[in-house]
Amino acid sequence: DAGVTQSPTHLIKTRGQQVTLRCSPKSGHDTVSWYQQALGQGPQFIFQYYEEEERQRGNFPDRFSGHQFPNYSSELNVNALLLGDSALYLCASSFFETMNTEAFFGQGTRLTVV
Amino acid sequence: AQTVTQSQPEMSVQEAETVTLSCTYDTSESDYYLFWYKQPPSRQMILVIRQEAYKQQNATENRFSVNFQKAAKSFSLKISDSQLGDAAMYFCAYWRAQYNFNKFYFGSGTKLNVKP
Repeated sequence: DAGVTQSPTHLIKTRGQQVTLRCSPKSGHDTVSWYQQALGQGPQFIFQYYEEEERQRGNFPDRFSGHQFPNYSSELNVNALLLGDSALYLCASSFFETMNTEAFFGQGTRLTVV
Repeated sequence: AQTVTQSQPEMSVQEAETVTLSCTYDTSESDYYLFWYKQPPSRQMILVIRQEAYKQQNATENRFSVNFQKAAKSFSLKISDSQLGDAAMYFCAYWRAQYNFNKFYFGSGTKLNVKP
């Protein structure tokens, strides 16, 4: 079992650009959640996808959008990048029917905006 | 809104000794879960221990145990016989158990140093 895999592991972008981060959930999981972890802070919830729909959203602007594919994998897109978007982006997968109480995290994508 | 507070930004412990990490949270809900996650330099969040709010018995996992005080909204982690591999960031997290409304609320973390 490969667990949760995220790509790429590191990324450097210029302010104003757009970025796409990818996540493949653990085998058997159908729900993907995205978190932003700024340096020295705890992760903050961005949104959650289940059945290819955004089910919940945290306090993030519309520049942050996502998608879930039929194979349950997910993408996080950020438009018009700001310096403040520099962070570790974590993906967590879980199984909806267990109310997602057992979540597994990927190793994250470190995004640096310059 | 739920908040999770970790008041110890950094802690140190001697190898083989015991250390306790503190966490408090704020909620008006009665049904929820509490977690401790470990984040080593590899960045992956690893589940250490989980506590269901409706269970009065404190959870234990080998050298890790919690002291769950529901009325006080306190959830501390005790690490016994500390090992060098325990060195990492530790995050306390709250999870509201409800369909279509479940997500983690994390604290700001405690960096644990283990001295040989």
